[in-house]
Formats: sequence, C-alpha cells, structure tokens
Amino acid sequence: QQQVKQSPQSLIVQKGGISIINCAYENTAFDYFPWYQQFPGKGPALLIAIRPDVSEKKEGRFTISFNKSAKQFSLHIMDSQPGDSATYFCAASMNNYGQNFVFGPGTRLSVLP
Amino acid sequence: KAGVTQTPRYLIKTRGQQVTLSCSPISGHRSVSWYQQTPGQGLQFLFEYFSETQRNKGNFPGRFSGRQFSNSRSEMNVSTLELGDSALYLCASSLEGSPDTQYFGPGTRLTVL
Repeated sequence: QQQVKQSPQSLIVQKGGISIINCAYENTAFDYFPWYQQFPGKGPALLIAIRPDVSEKKEGRFTISFNKSAKQFSLHIMDSQPGDSATYFCAASMNNYGQNFVFGPGTRLSVLP
Repeated sequence: KAGVTQTPRYLIKTRGQQVTLSCSPISGHRSVSWYQQTPGQGLQFLFEYFSETQRNKGNFPGRFSGRQFSNSRSEMNVSTLELGDSALYLCASSLEGSPDTQYFGPGTRLTVL
C-alpha cells in the first residue's frame, strides 16, 4: 500500500515534443505529490509538486495533472529540450508527520536534438 | 546559500566493516532525511531526524543507524557491511513542515567489496 508505481521505465522524445510520465498510488493518506529530476552524479532536485486539493499545476513547461479518484498523477513536459534529458521520479508523502517520501522507480527521459 | 553537503563523496569498504557517512544540511534546516538509491530498488527512505530525534524510520535492518547533532548535522552508520549495501546514500534537508523546501545533497557512493 506504500508503493508508488511509475511508467514508462524509459522514454525517448524528439526535441519540441511532449514528454508524459505517469504515476499511481494506493495509500489515500498521501497528501503531497512531488516530481524530482536527477542528472547523473547529482542528487534529485524538486521540479514541481501538487497537493490533492487541485487537479492541475503548471510551472513553465512542466505540468502536473492529478486525478484523486483514480489515484493517479502525471508529469507533462511541453516543448521538451535536450537539457531535459534526465531521470524523473514521482513521489508521495504524508506530510502531517515529517518528511518520509515514497518514490516511484524512475523514468529515464532522453530528448533527441 | 550553501547546499546540502555530504562527505565523503566516495567510499570503498569490505564486507564486515562499518562505515559512517556525514551530512551537513542547509543553514536553518532542522529536518534531515536519508535515502538509499540502488539500480534495483530505486530510492528508499532510511530515516528522518528532527531536533536530534529520529522521527521516521524506513524498513531497513538495525545495522543502519543514524543520529543528529544539535547543529542539525547528521551522520548515518552502517555496521557489518554486506555486498548489497553498495549504493548511493543521499541526504536531504528541509524546513519543518515544508516539503517544498527539501533539497538533496550529491550523495555518498559506497562500494562494498
């Protein structure tokens, strides 16, 4: 019940295209859903996050769509760029008691020039 | 503002030895979390400390332990190392109750031979 599932495992997109990564969770107590971006040799960095009281959040080229009833959320990267090539992790947490994130397995995104 | 720093960055140990990893959080951040990252298991939560107290603990054996000092710096210790402990160990710090402020360090790459 603590698992967060993520797909696809890897994704190849042409420059300018849309990248879509999907995640699903089981535990309805989760109330914070971030996406992290990780480059080789670096720690993950927070990209964008959403709480279940909204269905969509947009920051620049990055958008989270959240479906509470389906217990699913997704990351959309518009106008994908080669610099977006990285591994993306979705995560979930119950923020009422400290920082304890459950991460998805990750998606390796490659954006071709 | 300096980010999260972790020392050492790389470490090679042999089975049966013990190891201590160090994490210095961002100034003002009192919550420190530790994660293990491996290709097979992904990012897994180890434990979280706040005000020198362990507040959350993941599903790891007792060989994994940690502590936090009064200046919020944290250490984690792994005793009786096993080959499977080879991983990237990531430390993250954040402000209390504010997951949007969670920043990861670059990690310590531990190799157990």
